[in-house]
Amino acid sequence: NAGVTQTPKFRVLKTGQSMTLLCAQDMNHEYMYWYRQDPGMGLRLIHYSVGEGTTAKGEVPDGYNVSRLKKQNFLLGLESAAPSQTSVYFCASSPGGGLSYEQYFGPGTRLTVT
Amino acid sequence: QKEVEQDPGPLSVPEGAIVSLNCTYSNSAFQYFMWYRQYSRKGPELLMYTYSSGNKEDGRFTAQVDKSSKYISLFIRDSQPSDSATYLCAMSVTSNDYKLSFGAGTTVTVRA
Repeated sequence: NAGVTQTPKFRVLKTGQSMTLLCAQDMNHEYMYWYRQDPGMGLRLIHYSVGEGTTAKGEVPDGYNVSRLKKQNFLLGLESAAPSQTSVYFCASSPGGGLSYEQYFGPGTRLTVT
Repeated sequence: QKEVEQDPGPLSVPEGAIVSLNCTYSNSAFQYFMWYRQYSRKGPELLMYTYSSGNKEDGRFTAQVDKSSKYISLFIRDSQPSDSATYLCAMSVTSNDYKLSFGAGTTVTVRA
């Protein structure tokens, strides 16, 4: 039981490049989330999904897109990376049915945009 | 003004001391209050949650909620070096909220 895994763990991009971050969970959770964590800012929700084939915007969605084609996977895309997107990105998942607060986080992806 | 305020610290205490952490919030509709622990270069993990007001104890950890003051606390008794981590408070209005409101986190170091 791996829980929530994220790929890659580290990445350096040049401004304007694109990339996709992959999140996978093996707990059969309904909800999945993408956060970014910056010093002094806490965790900020980028996008989330309440089920396979659904996605919704969080509080900082600009510059990111997501897809959830399979229940266990949640992809985060950066189409044209900017230095302001330098951050640590965390994926999380939670059961449905009134347990959304019980979020399980992945180990994070450290992204640097130069 | 942020919805959830948390002193970032850092906080350094000797082993065996009581660690006291707290958060204040502005949204009186919050009903669920969580504490997450995050070790260095790892993802956060849920430590405790409390519904509405009152206290909850789990081993050396006690969570308190004072809704009248919009103030929550986490106490760690007999602190150990393994408790060294960043502690984030989080809150939601319902148990099915997709969006949790997180504090910025307080970094704690327990010195052996």
